[in-house]
Amino acid sequence: DGGITQSPKYLFRKEGQNVTLSCEQNLNHDAMYWYRQDPGQGLRLIYYSQIVNDFQKGDIAEGYSVSREKKESFPLTVTSAQKNPTAFYLCASIRGDGSSGANVLTFGAGSRLTVL
Amino acid sequence: SQQGEEDPQALSIQEGENATMNCSYKTSINNLQWYRQNSGRGLVHLILIRSNEREKHSGRLRVTLDTSKKSSSLLITASRAADTASYFCATDAKGSNYKLTFGKGTLLTVNP
Repeated sequence: DGGITQSPKYLFRKEGQNVTLSCEQNLNHDAMYWYRQDPGQGLRLIYYSQIVNDFQKGDIAEGYSVSREKKESFPLTVTSAQKNPTAFYLCASIRGDGSSGANVLTFGAGSRLTVL
Repeated sequence: SQQGEEDPQALSIQEGENATMNCSYKTSINNLQWYRQNSGRGLVHLILIRSNEREKHSGRLRVTLDTSKKSSSLLITASRAADTASYFCATDAKGSNYKLTFGKGTLLTVNP
């Protein structure tokens, strides 16, 4: 089955540490996205990549970094510069909607990061 | 920046009743999408309505779009306990280059 795999599902970090969240897709999608979700809040875009070796900042990129060396992979590093990193992180990729031809997002199951 | 804003923030109904959620947005859009999220999980796409459409149906879902009022509604008919989830609207704004912007969501609880 095709899909998006995020790992780890739960991650605990001490203050001052960098952590990397994995996102792998086998859907052959070109564009991939990272969103952050805080309790009771919507999703905020961190970074996105429309093609290998290229990515753009979203609305809240400060304290985060990404790479896109392979089409299938879009890892997110939460650096020590991110002041409030405890959140639920969601990776997604774009697919075409069969009935409309427009683009919709396919999401992974998420990674919950807690800073101790 | 939050483009879509859902209303109400929370909704509690009995099984079998209909649930209506509203979404307002600020700028011109290519399309508006609704997603569902079960607690602690990723989002799942439900339905998309283009800017030149006024109403769309999919199973028990009915979506309307009023571009003059910059608003949309999602109706779930004959709700079931399994419909309990958060529902988000997302807008594909003109010129956004496929960056969907999400609202804060409506938490729907369907009581058996």
